[in-house]
Amino acid sequence: EIVLTQSPGTLSLSPGERATLSCRASQSVSSSYLAWYQQKPGQAPRLLIYGASSRATGIPDRFSGSGSGTDFTLTISRLEPEDFAVYYCQQYGSSPKFGQGTKVEIK
Amino acid sequence: EVQLVESGGGLVQPGGSLRLSCAASGFTFSSYSMNWVRQAPGKGLEWVSYISSSSSTIYYADSVKGRFTISRDNAKNSLYLQMNSLRAEDTAVYYCAREHATVTKRYFDYWGQGTLVTVSS
Repeated sequence: EIVLTQSPGTLSLSPGERATLSCRASQSVSSSYLAWYQQKPGQAPRLLIYGASSRATGIPDRFSGSGSGTDFTLTISRLEPEDFAVYYCQQYGSSPKFGQGTKVEIK
Repeated sequence: EVQLVESGGGLVQPGGSLRLSCAASGFTFSSYSMNWVRQAPGKGLEWVSYISSSSSTIYYADSVKGRFTISRDNAKNSLYLQMNSLRAEDTAVYYCAREHATVTKRYFDYWGQGTLVTVSS
């Protein structure tokens, strides 16, 4: 069973700063099936990135995804106030698995 | 506009049953596989169950296998989750999520707003 470990657990940054979120898989996963979601308090998750690096419809280009094998990264180039949220990575292998999430909070 | 609207959540005693519904609109429901994903209070996301577009393929997480049953009615554009033998650890917000699946990509592209299930005596 694949386990996704996200780090750090919490990222404290200021608006305008760059955020780098990590998602590490316990074994190699296909980048085709690696996605990232954003969730704000009281809201449903929203798809940001699919196929490890493709932005979903309507997602600003300050969000980018990269990686392959066991190491994947979500980068937010310049944090906007609305970007402070929890981010989850997901892999879709034999069954969907989510990482435990990274909270991006205002410093 | 794609919309997924869950309903049916509430307070239920341990050992009880509940049936969740998800009403879909804005897309051809019968062409998409669907999933249920849950989130315990203050916790992360946990996939619960999958059903293919024609209901021919169904999967469950080990944590709910034998207790939960997923189904759909394509004529009514609706997805269901029958939950039996509920436990305190089933307490969560339950989301329905549409699956986008191709040969090379697979992910959840639309989510409902969720319905809260609380299992407590």
